[in-house]
Amino acid sequence: GAVVSQHPSRVICKSGTSVKIECRSLDFQATTMFWYRQFPKQSLMLMATSNEGSKATYEQGVEKDKFLINHASLTLSTLTVTSAHPEDSSFYICSAMSRDTQYFGPGTRLTVL
Amino acid sequence: LAKTTQPISMDSYEGQEVNITCSHNNIATNDYITWYQQFPSQGPRFIIQGYKTKVTNEVASLFIPADRKSSTLSLPRVSLSDTAVYYCPGRNNAGNMLTFGGGTRLMVKP
Repeated sequence: GAVVSQHPSRVICKSGTSVKIECRSLDFQATTMFWYRQFPKQSLMLMATSNEGSKATYEQGVEKDKFLINHASLTLSTLTVTSAHPEDSSFYICSAMSRDTQYFGPGTRLTVL
Repeated sequence: LAKTTQPISMDSYEGQEVNITCSHNNIATNDYITWYQQFPSQGPRFIIQGYKTKVTNEVASLFIPADRKSSTLSLPRVSLSDTAVYYCPGRNNAGNMLTFGGGTRLMVKP
């Protein structure tokens, strides 16, 4: 199957700082990638759809100015959590579509102190 | 938006066959049915995908009836390492985005 990677796997930051998470499709090109967030014991919640070369589409209730998404190439999308606060602590997971199948990255554990 | 429904949890024992059924009442004509497995602190892992009838790979089988209103993931001879959450996400109207429900938490006991 197709491989999606994320970096970093875990990050701890201070409140008020910004954190960037990278998502890469390693063996395929993805014009569309997706960013999900998952809180403990809960399911994945779609945050936004990242489109190569254009603006991301955010789900209702997700602040676009707080969660900046850049999809600069066909293999890389980045999510920047700006001015992070403790309530942003979560597990962030990206995915990309390859031949009608969506493949997920390993996730990034963000802890905001 | 096509939502799916599946049991919250299931228990099984090592060596048994496990069948998890998902309801796809609003599935669109062109949508595939996909199942994922998720371990704690990991991203969902693709298990199997199908459109109709039966699909089998080295990990599982997927049964889809003719009306496609449901699907059943079959895991043969489960082991302790199959303890995980299993998802059968629905899709948005365009069919290119997955929406996850609560999943089925499978516990395999010795």
